[in-house]
Amino acid sequence: EAGVAQSPRYKIIEKRQSVAFWCNPISGHATLYWYQQILGQGPKLLIQFQNNGVVDDSQLPKDRFSAERLKGVDSTLKIQPAKLEDSAVYLCASSPTFLPLQGEQFFGPGTRLTVL
Amino acid sequence: TQLLEQSPQFLSIQEGENLTVYCNSSSVFSSLQWYRQEPGEGPVLLVTVVTGGEVKKLKRLTFQFGDARKDSSLHITAAQPGDTGLYLCAGLNAGNNRKLIWGLGTSLAVNP
Repeated sequence: EAGVAQSPRYKIIEKRQSVAFWCNPISGHATLYWYQQILGQGPKLLIQFQNNGVVDDSQLPKDRFSAERLKGVDSTLKIQPAKLEDSAVYLCASSPTFLPLQGEQFFGPGTRLTVL
Repeated sequence: TQLLEQSPQFLSIQEGENLTVYCNSSSVFSSLQWYRQEPGEGPVLLVTVVTGGEVKKLKRLTFQFGDARKDSSLHITAAQPGDTGLYLCAGLNAGNNRKLIWGLGTSLAVNP
């Protein structure tokens, strides 16, 4: 079974530029998550989708971050414009059900963003 | 606000030593997971503990969930360089508003 796919793996941009990340979850997984992970820290949830609907985006900086999952499968996360503090790894994860019984999530390899 | 505190934050040991990582909270969790994350990769689930007092073993790794389901520990016996990585605990909060609460992680380096 293929895992969660993310692209690109690395991205370097200058501040005030825009950037987009793509995620394809495990086939059949209804729930998709985007996390921001600062180096050496735990992941911080940005947004959670159930199929193509948003379940939780309480920690998403909506003035600059946006995400969509139009067909309930793959998803894109966009930052516009980027700030220096957005430098982090952006992780995508998926789980097979909404409110999975034991919370298990399957992660992609992440996209490392550097904002100069 | 629910918090999961992990300790120690950093740990550097020699191959063959034993170690314990702790994950503590004042909140009750319906389940708790441990993940390991290697550089350049996403976290990978190691184990999920569900029942208070539960102990699970995965080769040289022993996981324990506290009786009150507020804390957990991970013990590694005879650590090897391949154990190097960031260990993260994540608790699924009890109740209707089910969210996964993440600890900040323990960065482990096992030196040959």
